[in-house]
Amino acid sequence: GAGVSQSPRYKVAKRGQDVALRCDPISGHVSLFWYQQALGQGPEFLTYFQNEAQLDKSGLPSDRFFAERPEGSVSTLKIQRTQQEDSAVYLCASSSYEFLGLTTDTQYFGPGTRLTVL
Amino acid sequence: SQKIEQNSEALNIQEGKTATLTCNYTNYSPAYLQWYRQDPGRGPVFLLLIRENEKEKRKERLKVTFDTTLKQSLFHITASQPADSATYLCALVDGTASKLTFGTGTRLQVTL
Repeated sequence: GAGVSQSPRYKVAKRGQDVALRCDPISGHVSLFWYQQALGQGPEFLTYFQNEAQLDKSGLPSDRFFAERPEGSVSTLKIQRTQQEDSAVYLCASSSYEFLGLTTDTQYFGPGTRLTVL
Repeated sequence: SQKIEQNSEALNIQEGKTATLTCNYTNYSPAYLQWYRQDPGRGPVFLLLIRENEKEKRKERLKVTFDTTLKQSLFHITASQPADSATYLCALVDGTASKLTFGTGTRLQVTL
């Protein structure tokens, strides 16, 4: 596709339910990032993949959060036993370069999935 | 502690005027800084990047400055239009880290 797509766009979950959020990056992009954006805040880094390897997961807030990218393309962010504080927009971004800090490449963001936990 | 600060209050300006948004950072050593635009219900969209050895960067009506001594970047939109109304985010990469760190964003409202 022409850009990064995410599904679903909106997700309502009852507290304690598990959810799975999908990201389809731009074809051929090596790097994939997940961010969490609370209302009125900037995006906060969750995790980073280079192809299928998860190189940085330092931003995942708890062990209830799990991300995978098994074939180096589509990625899924899973949240187990959702809590109300998990309510946020989850953004996915992709980039054509491997080492963000060593290049001036930019990230291309998807529209996000708005998760509401009741 | 590390902080990236942007004006949390909305900036309201009249069409045709220049909008100036501020991004201040503490305890980072960014090689470069980026500015993004975010509209409601959408992901951020990249606008401009400025490297640490560049003082100023321009793109059409946009201008970014970067002062590593003051640890500040200014983002200017000249001849602003109502279509420029959005939230503007600054972001940086600390050293060789593999992630972008964003400020909280400033909402710009351009009125007729």
